[in-house]
Amino acid sequence: AQKVTQAQTEISVVEKEDVTLDCVYETRDTTYYLFWYKQPPSGELVFLIRRNSFDEQNEISGRYSWNFQKSTSSFNFTITASQVVDSAVYFCALSEAGYSTLTFGKGTMLLVSP
Amino acid sequence: EAQVTQNPRYLITVTGKKLTVTCSQNMNHEYMSWYRQDPGLGLRQIYYSMNVEVTDKGDVPEGYKVSRKEKRNFPLILESPSPNQTSLYFCASREQGSEQYFGPGTRLTVT
Repeated sequence: AQKVTQAQTEISVVEKEDVTLDCVYETRDTTYYLFWYKQPPSGELVFLIRRNSFDEQNEISGRYSWNFQKSTSSFNFTITASQVVDSAVYFCALSEAGYSTLTFGKGTMLLVSP
Repeated sequence: EAQVTQNPRYLITVTGKKLTVTCSQNMNHEYMSWYRQDPGLGLRQIYYSMNVEVTDKGDVPEGYKVSRKEKRNFPLILESPSPNQTSLYFCASREQGSEQYFGPGTRLTVT
């Protein structure tokens, strides 16, 4: 069975600090997909990134970057120079190939104060 | 505009009164799912559908029913709601391997 663990329940930082959100996953499949979603206080779920298991290249998008390491089954998310607008709950999720199920971690609440 | 819509957005009801939350997507996606979100538990899948007339249980299906008679619609039915079904519900759709497109959420309170 697939499983996603986000060990950090809540993180508080001050604006301009860098912050890393951890995600560790478990799966028996060799083909799978990993995702990050953001849920701002308004409640909607915003897609941030998808990564398939064959693509270990790290990705950077503006202040966001993702570090995928199959050796440690981790898919960590770093926000550089955090801003108040980054305050949200962030979810990591896993989907095994051939299935339509998507398993979420319990989320990490990020609070960025001015 | 590509979107997933849910109705109603907010609902307060009483124990035992049957209700339906509708979900519709305009992207011709094959896969649709329902999730519930509870504090400290994240999102948990209730049911999913891989295509018309093909549905299967997710992690927390007890007390819920779904149907998929048309590709675009995937209603969630609570035949006899109970207070432990008070939650925030999300419908989602996607293609195989792609990201989920989520609806705006339905906040349900069962008293």
